[in-house]
Amino acid sequence: AQTVTQSQPEMSVQEAETVTLSCTYDTSESDYYLFWYKQPPSRQMILVIRQEAYKQQNATENRFSVNFQKAAKSFSLKISDSQLGDAAMYFCVLSGSRLTFGEGTQLTVNP
Amino acid sequence: KAGVTQTPRYLIKTRGQQVTLSCSPISGHRSVSWYQQTPGQGLQFLFEYFSETQRNKGNFPGRFSGRQFSNSRSEMNVSTLELGDSALYLCASSSKRDSYNEQFFGPGTRLTVL
Repeated sequence: AQTVTQSQPEMSVQEAETVTLSCTYDTSESDYYLFWYKQPPSRQMILVIRQEAYKQQNATENRFSVNFQKAAKSFSLKISDSQLGDAAMYFCVLSGSRLTFGEGTQLTVNP
Repeated sequence: KAGVTQTPRYLIKTRGQQVTLSCSPISGHRSVSWYQQTPGQGLQFLFEYFSETQRNKGNFPGRFSGRQFSNSRSEMNVSTLELGDSALYLCASSSKRDSYNEQFFGPGTRLTVL
């Protein structure tokens, strides 16, 4: 069975500052992907970033980057220069035969 | 390219009724997955269809069923509705069968069971 744990139900950050969201996972599969999706108040789920487990290099997408520690089964998301539009629920997601979602972290961005 | 569309967006039903939700994937996508999102249980996988065949199923009772048509559109049916079925139902499409690829989500159908 696959599990994903996000230990921070809520986080807040000041606009223009940096915030890191934590995620740990467990899987018995050797080949898998990890994703961070965001879900703003509109409820539309949007892909933020993707990491292939076989790649050691951490993925980056503009202001978003991850710290992927495969041995520790850790996958954190760093948001730099936070913007008001980053406010959303963020889900850490593990792929395999199906997607497994974490519980989510509600991010608030304060002006 | 148009995104994933789901109809209806909102639905109110009473206990014991049945409901059918529809999902139209992005053009060219053959994989459609369904998820249930509730405040208590979070996001849970319901099932995945690829080329009209159910490829994977989550841990939901048999009241939850689905199908996929030759044009890749998918429907999800819930029979004998219970209060606990109130949720946001999300549909996602992908160009390939496996979940390693990005899944594109629709806006969801908000189902309320009274």
